[in-house]
Amino acid sequence: TQLLEQSPQFLSIQEGENLTVYCNSSSVFSSLQWYRQEPGEGPVLLVTVVTGGEVKKLKRLTFQFGDARKDSSLHITAAQPGDTGLYLCRGSRLTFGEGTQLTVNP
Amino acid sequence: KAGVTQTPRYLIKTRGQQVTLSCSPISGHRSVSWYQQTPGQGLQFLFEYFSETQRNKGNFPGRFSGRQFSNSRSEMNVSTLELGDSALYLCASSLNSYNEQFFGPGTRLTVL
Repeated sequence: TQLLEQSPQFLSIQEGENLTVYCNSSSVFSSLQWYRQEPGEGPVLLVTVVTGGEVKKLKRLTFQFGDARKDSSLHITAAQPGDTGLYLCRGSRLTFGEGTQLTVNP
Repeated sequence: KAGVTQTPRYLIKTRGQQVTLSCSPISGHRSVSWYQQTPGQGLQFLFEYFSETQRNKGNFPGRFSGRQFSNSRSEMNVSTLELGDSALYLCASSLNSYNEQFFGPGTRLTVL
């Protein structure tokens, strides 16, 4: 089983601030996915990264896959209250990180 | 295309009872995975079924079991419920476990 560590576990910021959350492992992944889960719902896929060093942008969200394919980061620019949720990374078929609970205050 | 549905949405049981949760995947998806989500523990993988066969299993006791039917619908059973089994149980379907997983809204189980 590939273990994934996410940090920080909790993050509370004001609207308009930037933030970065991390997903790290000692294992190499062939691909890595980021999901967002909102209260009362199941997680929803945001992006899949497959190539070491890859950067993908989704509006104000920027995802990066480490060169060695062992880690990934999610950067949010000018966070909005609608970004509030639990952000999860998934590095294999079976393994999710514990998640980063993000709260963006208006 | 209809999403993943889970029934029931909420369930209250007492210790020692058993419970069966149901999941209907997206049409055409043959892989169904089950997860337990609790505060501080994240998503813990229970098992995955593909074409009626359990393909992968997480580190849970034998009280947790599941099955998949020929129409890809899946059920999960927990016997001899314990207080610690209180959690949100999520079902996810996909074409294959390597692909994007589509989650249902979950079943919130409370064990008293």
